[in-house]
Amino acid sequence: SQQGEEDPQALSIQEGENATMNCSYKTSINNLQWYRQNSGRGLVHLILIRSNEREKHSGRLRVTLDTSKKSSSLLITASRAADTASYFCATDENYGQNFVFGPGTRLSVLP
Amino acid sequence: EAGVAQSPRYKIIEKRQSVAFWCNPISGHATLYWYQQILGQGPKLLIQFQNNGVVDDSQLPKDRFSAERLKGVDSTLKIQPAKLEDSAVYLCASSLSPGTYEQYFGPGTRLTVT
Repeated sequence: SQQGEEDPQALSIQEGENATMNCSYKTSINNLQWYRQNSGRGLVHLILIRSNEREKHSGRLRVTLDTSKKSSSLLITASRAADTASYFCATDENYGQNFVFGPGTRLSVLP
Repeated sequence: EAGVAQSPRYKIIEKRQSVAFWCNPISGHATLYWYQQILGQGPKLLIQFQNNGVVDDSQLPKDRFSAERLKGVDSTLKIQPAKLEDSAVYLCASSLSPGTYEQYFGPGTRLTVT
């Protein structure tokens, strides 16, 4: 079953612009994670946010979590061509131990 | 620190043949995951091990897929017999413990079934 659903499915922006991706989920969670996947480095963990947190930052990444709306957003500021990749959110179903990945957002950053 | 190792990187087989994938997790990581990622989709968890015990294999097609983790370290995922719809990338990941910790992924094995 797929828990997280990313939106949009695809996003194309110019270098230097900000990119925002959203993730919606259905059940209660303990944690939500964002991962990046590109052909060069495979799947890489970006950030984990716990259910009692509302916002986290890591470099140019900003993640928010709204448990009342069952949604999260990932903001990448000042995007670079190297940010071109697919971005996935992963949530644990019903406070479970396993993370379920959504279908992902394909981000293209044009030079 | 060495990452998660997987082999082979690519495999092409005919339907009804068998295939095996190998994974060596990061040293000290108790939890090991196998995922199937079909082109254009997110990874789907097939099986999760905690040391050498199975935590979750609810989405593993047990009539054709099997996995083991001997001595709680390396793991092998087998498909026998393969079907066309098994064409996918098989990803192995490990984490210090289940659930709350980030997962470290290997490069994956791209399987093509013809």
